[in-house]
Amino acid sequence: DVKVTQSSRYLVKRTGEKVFLECVQDMDHENMFWYRQDPGLGLRLIYFSYDVKMKEKGDIPEGYSVSREKKERFSLILESASTNQTSMYLCATIGRIYNEQFFGPGTRLTVL
Amino acid sequence: DQQVKQNSPSLSVQEGRISILNCDYTNSMFDYFLWYKKYPAEGPTFLISISSIKDKNEDGRFTVFLNKSAKHLSLHIVPSQPGDSAVYFCAAASTSGTYKYIFGTGTRLKVLA
Repeated sequence: DVKVTQSSRYLVKRTGEKVFLECVQDMDHENMFWYRQDPGLGLRLIYFSYDVKMKEKGDIPEGYSVSREKKERFSLILESASTNQTSMYLCATIGRIYNEQFFGPGTRLTVL
Repeated sequence: DQQVKQNSPSLSVQEGRISILNCDYTNSMFDYFLWYKKYPAEGPTFLISISSIKDKNEDGRFTVFLNKSAKHLSLHIVPSQPGDSAVYFCAAASTSGTYKYIFGTGTRLKVLA
C-alpha cells in the first residue's frame, strides 16, 4: 500500500518564522511534488523534484524553497512565513499503475 | 492563464440520481486526464483516468468521457450516494513531458439523502 506521509497535520507559526514541511514516500519514485490548496484556486504547484538534488519551480514558487537530499524525502521550506502562506499544503508522488499523483494527507498551516 | 477549468464551483444532486461534473482544458498537448476526490482535511484521492486515445473509461459507478475536439471531459457518477459528497478535481498532463499535472479549481458535490 502506497504511503505518503507528511510531518504534521496542523501547524501554527508566526510571521517571519522559518517553516519546514517534511514529506516521505515509500513508492521509490523519482518524482515528488508540493502543492498548496486554497478555496476557489484549486491545487497550485509550488515545486517539484524529478530526482535527488534536482528541483524545478512550479507555478507559485515565490517565498518557498525545497530540498531533496534522499529519494524518499522532499522538504518544503518557507524562509520567512507570511500570513498569505496560510494554506493546506499537499505533497505527492507518482503511483505505479495509473501514473496518478498519490497525495499525502496534507498539512494545514496557519501563519499568524 | 487557467489551462484546466471547472466552471461550476458547486453541484447538488439527489441520492440515486446522476452527478455530472465538467472540466474544460485549453492546451492541446494534454493527452492524459484524471479525476480526484477530496474530503476536508485529507489529501485528494485518485478516482479514474483516461488517455486521449479513448473517449470513455468506466470503473464501477464512475465514468469519464473525453471530447477532444471540444477539449472537454466529464465525470458521471451513477447512482450518486451521500458518501460521494466531496470536492472533485480534474487534472491534465502531457505524457511526453515530466509528470506535471495541471489541476482545475474543483467542484464541490453535495449528494442529498
